Amino acid sequence: LAKTTQPISMDSYEGQEVNITCSHNNIATNDYITWYQQFPSQGPRFIIQGYKTKVTNEVASLFIPADRKSSTLSLPRVSLSDTAVYYCLVGTYNQGGKLIFGQGTELSVKP
Amino acid sequence: DVKVTQSSRYLVKRTGEKVFLECVQDMDHENMFWYRQDPGLGLRLIYFSYDVKMKEKGDIPEGYSVSREKKERFSLILESASTNQTSMYLCASSLSGEGDTEAFFGQGTRLTVV
Repeated sequence: LAKTTQPISMDSYEGQEVNITCSHNNIATNDYITWYQQFPSQGPRFIIQGYKTKVTNEVASLFIPADRKSSTLSLPRVSLSDTAVYYCLVGTYNQGGKLIFGQGTELSVKP
Repeated sequence: DVKVTQSSRYLVKRTGEKVFLECVQDMDHENMFWYRQDPGLGLRLIYFSYDVKMKEKGDIPEGYSVSREKKERFSLILESASTNQTSMYLCASSLSGEGDTEAFFGQGTRLTVV
C-alpha cells in the first residue's frame, strides 16, 4: 500500500494561493490520487482526484509529475472558510482495496 | 445526493458494555468502511467490506468486529467497550472501481466510554 507523507500544518492568509504537497514514493500503477477536506466535527469530503498530469475543478487544482511519486493540491485565493484538514489518499477503490488516510495537513487561514 | 447516515451523533457507554454503531448508505455502494479519528492520529481504518457478508481487517481491528448482512448497512461492534475506545467514529462508502470514484462519509459518532 502506498504510504503518504504530508506536512502536519500550514499557515496562510486570505487571498493567497496555497500549495500542499504529498509524497507517495511507492505508488502503484493502478493507484489514483485523491484529496479530501475535513472541517471540525464533520466527515471528510472529496475535493479532487487525478491519475497523472493536471486536473482542475471549481475548487482546486491537482498537479501530478510524470513519475507520480508526489502530488500538489493547489487552492487558489483561500478564504477563512478554507481552514480545514486536507488529506491525500493514494489507492484504488477496487473490491478489497483499502482506503488508508495519512495524518493530513491542518491548514489555518488568517485574515 | 449520496447519503451516509450514522445512527447516533453522540453516544456515552459504560466500560464493558457491548456497543453497536450503525451506518446506512443509500447509493447501492459496494464498499463500506469504518474509521476512528483521534487528535494527532488522523483517520485510522478499523474494518472495511466490499460486499455483503465480506469483511477485511484494517490497520486497527483489535477490540472491534463488524457485520454486513445487507448491502446498505455496515455495523461496527465493540464487544466490550473500554475507555481507550473513546473516539470519533466515521463510516464511509464508495463504489467499487479503479478510479473516478470517491468515498462519501457520514457525520461521525462521538463515542465516550466511561
